[in-house]
Amino acid sequence: RKEVEQDPGPFNVPEGATVAFNCTYSNSASQSFFWYRQDCRKEPKLLMSVYSSGNEDGRFTAQLNRASQYISLLIRDSKLSDSATYLCVASPYSNYQLIWGAGTKLIIKP
Amino acid sequence: EAQVTQNPRYLITVTGKKLTVTCSQNMNHEYMSWYRQDPGLGLRQIYYSMNVEVTDKGDVPEGYKVSRKEKRNFPLILESPSPNQTSLYFCASSPSIEGGKLFFGSGTQLSVL
Repeated sequence: RKEVEQDPGPFNVPEGATVAFNCTYSNSASQSFFWYRQDCRKEPKLLMSVYSSGNEDGRFTAQLNRASQYISLLIRDSKLSDSATYLCVASPYSNYQLIWGAGTKLIIKP
Repeated sequence: EAQVTQNPRYLITVTGKKLTVTCSQNMNHEYMSWYRQDPGLGLRQIYYSMNVEVTDKGDVPEGYKVSRKEKRNFPLILESPSPNQTSLYFCASSPSIEGGKLFFGSGTQLSVL
């Protein structure tokens, strides 16, 4: 079993819709979690950190469920520019040895 | 402009021919790291460095070397590349206190024939 698992998708979503995807992690010792965004073959960019209390940044909301060991990302009012692969990251050992999911591909259609 | 600079962007080489991928950051970050990305797999850490002259193995260090003689530079060395090292490589840096908040270089697509 992979340490961090994501549904690879693709999720095909109409523009303006709300989309959510989850990421499960196997190591309960994980302390920090992040969502990164990656455009095709380009460098990943930090989207948001995930806090125990959840956090929101504009149209994006991230939640952490420690009991079930998953984090989620919700995107409201999706834009064409949201099309990308979303990478989930956990840090079970330290903040310097991150474990990455393989990513969920999101395609927003007009 | 704050950035992580990787070179080259694309590299095609042959088995056994030593190569170096350079990485430089201008943000005075203590932490730097190398990753490889393969289809269907998450980013996998090769090596990381907490500061000058301090390096440590990540998940997939075999076949790679690194050095950190200066804070800004963290080159990745393949002494004898093999076809299974064909991959997309990323260098990243972070201020030490920020942990998982990484700034990435634009990547190096390496093909080993």
